[in-house]
Amino acid sequence: NAGVTQTPKFQVLKTGQSMTLQCAQDMNHEYMSWYRQDPGMGLRLIHYSVGAGITDQGEVPNGYNVSRSTTEDFPLRLLSAAPSQTSVYFCASSWQRNTEAFFGQGTRLTVV
Amino acid sequence: SQQGEEDPQALSIQEGENATMNCSYKTSINNLQWYRQNSGRGLVHLILIRSNEREKHSGRLRVTLDTSKKSSSLLITASRAADTASYFCATDDNYGQNFVFGPGTRLSVLP
Repeated sequence: NAGVTQTPKFQVLKTGQSMTLQCAQDMNHEYMSWYRQDPGMGLRLIHYSVGAGITDQGEVPNGYNVSRSTTEDFPLRLLSAAPSQTSVYFCASSWQRNTEAFFGQGTRLTVV
Repeated sequence: SQQGEEDPQALSIQEGENATMNCSYKTSINNLQWYRQNSGRGLVHLILIRSNEREKHSGRLRVTLDTSKKSSSLLITASRAADTASYFCATDDNYGQNFVFGPGTRLSVLP
């Protein structure tokens, strides 16, 4: 049982480039979310989804897009990377939004 | 907006000692969760405690919740070097919809 799988683990982008961070879960969870983690600030919610076809914004959505075409996948797109988006990104899934969350191993993104 | 905040920010203890971390939050909650994060890894769920519960145990972990003081504590008994990690509390956001994480407590257990 793989749980939550994120790819890539590391990425370096130039300012203005776009990319997609992949997230897949094999637990048939309805709720999925993306967080960014910056030093001293804990995790901040970027976007979340309560089921296929339904997404919504979190605390820090600007500069990011998401889609949820299947239950399993929840990709995060950076539209035009900026140095302020340098961070570690975590994808998580759970049965419902207020239940135990399972996290991926993270993607360390550097924007130069 | 940050709902919960852990205290202390960092804690260093000797192996075998107990470690206590606290979490304070601002508004009423439905649930509170504690997570552990080892360096460079994802978060791992430890315990979920509901607002109508006062205490929960899981192995060497004990979590208490005092809704009147809007605070929770995580106690790790007989700590081990492997307990070295950051510990986060997560509480419902102001709309009771998503979980909001605090900045965490960095625990170092020295052998």
